[in-house]
Amino acid sequence: DTAVSQTPKYLVTQMGNDKSIKCEQNLGHDTMYWYKQDSKKFLKIMFSYNNKELIINETVPNRFSPKSPDKAHLNLHINSLELGDSAVYFCASSPGGGQPQHFGDGTRLSIL
Amino acid sequence: AQRVTQPEKLLSVFKGAPVELKCNYSYSGSPELFWYVQYSRQRLQLLLRHISRESIKGFTADLNKGETSFHLKKPFAQEEDSAMYYCALSFTSGTYKYIFGTGTRLKVLA
Repeated sequence: DTAVSQTPKYLVTQMGNDKSIKCEQNLGHDTMYWYKQDSKKFLKIMFSYNNKELIINETVPNRFSPKSPDKAHLNLHINSLELGDSAVYFCASSPGGGQPQHFGDGTRLSIL
Repeated sequence: AQRVTQPEKLLSVFKGAPVELKCNYSYSGSPELFWYVQYSRQRLQLLLRHISRESIKGFTADLNKGETSFHLKKPFAQEEDSAMYYCALSFTSGTYKYIFGTGTRLKVLA
């Protein structure tokens, strides 16, 4: 029974397209996150939501827009995809600040 | 500014040898520190956190506030320990923040 699930696992698309990645957690956690892991394996936080409210919004192009319809879901929509967006995107959740995070399997986004 | 430094990008050791993955942090308050592990093409998962003082898969990590370090150690490396290891710092700055180090790839050679 997967705790944090992301769809799709792989996403191959062309430059300029718009795409979404979905994330759902069944752990009852209040806080959810989006991370970007680049080709050098650097892991950088993009957004954090606590109970549907945005609490962390790092320096990310405004082409990236998170949406949290409820506290169990945090989706990531990306407009006008660029080559530099190619990466693995991880969703995570935690009970609250300072607590360990539970990660999804990641979505590997490849821009052609 | 708060920071987590993992000075080694790659660490190669032979099976059975001791392992130490270095992590230094920069934070003036009381930190929450974690080690996460990512096996090949898998999700990140929590390995251990400093407040629990556990040994997981033979790994331990001690918080040294004087040296602002949280190094990860294992006395005898096994091939299945090969993975990416990330040190992470959680702290409050208005709200909770989470910073990951750049990661160290551990390769355990047969």
